[in-house]
Order: sequence, then C-alpha cells, then structure tokens
Amino acid sequence: GQQVMQIPQYQHVQEGEDFTTYCNSSTTLSNIQWYKQRPGGHPVFLIQLVKSGEVKKQKRLTFQFGEAKKNSSLHITATQTTDVGTYFCAGTGGGNKLTFGTGTQLKVEL
Amino acid sequence: DTEVTQTPKHLVMGMTNKKSLKCEQHMGHRAMYWYKQKAKKPPELMFVYSYEKLSINESVPSRFSPECPNSSLLNLHLHALQPEDSALYLCASSPPHWGIEAFFGQGTRLTVV
Repeated sequence: GQQVMQIPQYQHVQEGEDFTTYCNSSTTLSNIQWYKQRPGGHPVFLIQLVKSGEVKKQKRLTFQFGEAKKNSSLHITATQTTDVGTYFCAGTGGGNKLTFGTGTQLKVEL
Repeated sequence: DTEVTQTPKHLVMGMTNKKSLKCEQHMGHRAMYWYKQKAKKPPELMFVYSYEKLSINESVPSRFSPECPNSSLLNLHLHALQPEDSALYLCASSPPHWGIEAFFGQGTRLTVV
C-alpha cells in the first residue's frame, strides 16, 4: 500500500532559525495536504498542493510539491514558539483515502 | 459553523463494556471519517462514509462498529476492546472527495482497562 515518510522525525531549533520537513511518497499523489497538530491537540489543515512543481506561501511558511508529485516540503522561516507542534503531510492517490506521513515534531527553544 | 464536535472528550472503559463515540458536524459535508492515533504516531484511517454509506473499511476489527445515522452524525460503537485499542480517536469531515480542506474534531481519548 501507499507509504508516506517524513524526515526528520524530530527537530529542535532556536527561535529565529529556519526549519524544513520533507515528505516522500512511495506512489504518485493526486494532491498533498499539510496539517499541524499542537501537543494535545488535533490536526489542523494548513494547505493543499495539487499541481506538479507547485509552490505556495503562507506568511513564513513555504510549501512545495515535487515535479513527479511524489514528494513535498514545508519550510518555516524564522521560527517562533507558536510554531511548536507536529507537522504532517498527507496524500491521496485518488478517492477518499488520505494517508498521513510519519510526521515531524518541531520544538522551538528561546 | 466550522466545527466538528466529538463526545466524550475522554473515556475509560473495561474490556467487557459497550460504549459509543459520537461525532457531529453542521458544515454540510457529505464525507466523514474515523481515524485512530497512537501517541507520537500519525492518524491511521479506520472508516470512511460518503453520502451516509460506508465506502472504506481499513480492515478494522469487528469490535469497532461505525454508524452514520444521517449526514451530520457519525458514531463509533465499541465492544470488547483490548488495552492496545487505547488511543485518540479522531473524527473528520470534508466535502465528498479529498482534495479540499478536512476538518478534524478534537478527538476522544480512549483508555481500555
């Protein structure tokens, strides 16, 4: 079945440093979504990418979808303590089945 | 209203108990989902309902029984669970096909003793 891996598993940064998480799927994806889950919370939708090579920005967050639609990345510029949480990519090969990546847990220290 | 409401928030049950988890949304979404999430792991899909009909069952044991009484409600009936079933159970909803924002409820934290 479809597998979606993320690296790194954990990342500790100092506030103000940049952060990147990478997402790789074993199969081609129709689209990819990114979610953030705060400690003790539930996943919250951040963005969706659909087109090959697509790049989207949300303030300090930059999302990319690979040309082959099998990988994606999330980059955060100048992290803040409010960025703490686990970031999941999630992809569909089609239909209603969304497969979550393994997640990257981000900790930000002052 | 952009919320998915799950009740209860916490549940402790014995292995011989029968209990139900409830999920409600009033966004007009016609797809609803149950996910299971263990600590420090990603959510794992259990069931998908599309237009009140079960469309995906990810080979979930029969001790978990989903029900979709109408387009706004989703239940998960629990019976004879095992301690390893302890987890956060998340409900989500979206328009009929993935590719549009999915809204997750806050989850029910289930402990089986």
